[in-house]
Formats: sequence, structure tokens, C-alpha cells
Amino acid sequence: QVQLVQSGGGVVQPGRSLRLSCGASGFTFSSYAMHWVRQAPGKGLEWVAVISYDGSNKDSADSVKGRFTISRDNSKNTLYLQMNSLRAEDTAVYYCAKGTTVVTPGNENFDYWGQGTLVTVSS
Amino acid sequence: QLVLTQSPSASASLGASVKLTCTLSSGHSSYAIAWHQQQPEKGPRYLMKLNSDGRHNKGDGIPDRFSGSSSGAERYLTISTLQSEDEADYYCQTWGTGGVFGGGTKLTVL
Repeated sequence: QVQLVQSGGGVVQPGRSLRLSCGASGFTFSSYAMHWVRQAPGKGLEWVAVISYDGSNKDSADSVKGRFTISRDNSKNTLYLQMNSLRAEDTAVYYCAKGTTVVTPGNENFDYWGQGTLVTVSS
Repeated sequence: QLVLTQSPSASASLGASVKLTCTLSSGHSSYAIAWHQQQPEKGPRYLMKLNSDGRHNKGDGIPDRFSGSSSGAERYLTISTLQSEDEADYYCQTWGTGGVFGGGTKLTVL
């Protein structure tokens, strides 16, 4: 069965960096786009970043552009989110999610989710 | 601009049915959406992908009580024979130039 197991997260001071990982199993990881989604305390879901199946295309939300970098290692079936210059407003539970094979407008959805990892940015 | 609109809350009695609505913004009525369930203190769970013609593909292990339908720019999630564990937040989601989520509907089972 499909599993997405996350690691990383924790408490970090503003301006510092953190890296999240998401290990995948139960499907052909190298064939699917992958995403990061976050949820601030008491708030709704916010899409953060996407990476294509082969890593050649990436995009991110304006709120994290230039600070967060999504990457993947298909040889290790692992997705990463490098978060730099963290701010208090980045405090959230971060989820990795499996996408489709080809990302197209009106047709991309997240059909499996990781368990989530809490990132707290505080001095 | 692509926006998904959901009512903030809904309620229905145990054993009854409820229909949740997600509305696509103007010009995007052909878009598919996905429905996700988030039970209290848990991560999201994919329920189904719902196309503009009403065809839907449910996720692994999703009970038959959950179904989807479409009309124009409206996308619906119907939950029949409500159970206590259906009390959750329900989010619709689609894709434009990035991921887009509705604000979520908090469903209370009375």
C-alpha cells in the first residue's frame, strides 16, 4: 500500500533553516509529481510547492518563493523541502502529498498524504 | 482568478444524509476538483476526484456512503447514513497555476 512517511520538523528560530523529508513506498515514486501542503494552527490547507516526476519542473506559492526549495531523489524514493529564512508565519503542520503523473490545470489532485510534521518558528 | 468557495459549516443528524458544496469561480466550470476529509487532530485523507460531468474516482477504502456529483460550476459531496466519524472538516481542491483549496466546511453530526 502507498505510504508517505515524513521526518524533520521541530522548533527553529526566525531566520534559520530546516529541511523536511518524505519517504515514499508502495508506488513508482519516479512516475509522479509530489507536493508539499501546510496548515497553520487553526487554519485551512495551503499548497506550498510542487515538483514534477523527474525533478525538472518546480513551482511554489508566492508566500514561500525564494525561501523554500522542493527537491527529490528518485533513487531514494524521497521528497525534500528545504526551508530557509523562516518566519513566524511559516509555523504550520507540513504535509507531503502524492500528485498525478502530469500536472495540468484543472486536473491535479493529491491522492495520498503523509502524516504531517509540525514546524514551529519562534525565538 | 481561480477560487473555490465552501460554506464554513454544515450539520446533519446521525443516520441522515448531507450534501456539501464547492463552487468554482467564473471561467473554471470545466475543472475537476478533489474532496479531502480531515478528522479532528488528524491529517487530510483523499476522498475522491470529481469531474465536471459528475464522474468520480474514489480513494482507497472510501465507503460507498460517499459520492460526488456536479452541476455547472458546483461540485458536491454527498455523505449518506451519517456516522459519528464523519464529523470532520471537508476541503475541496483543484489546480490552476498552483494548488488551490477551498476554505473548508466543518461538518457536525448531531
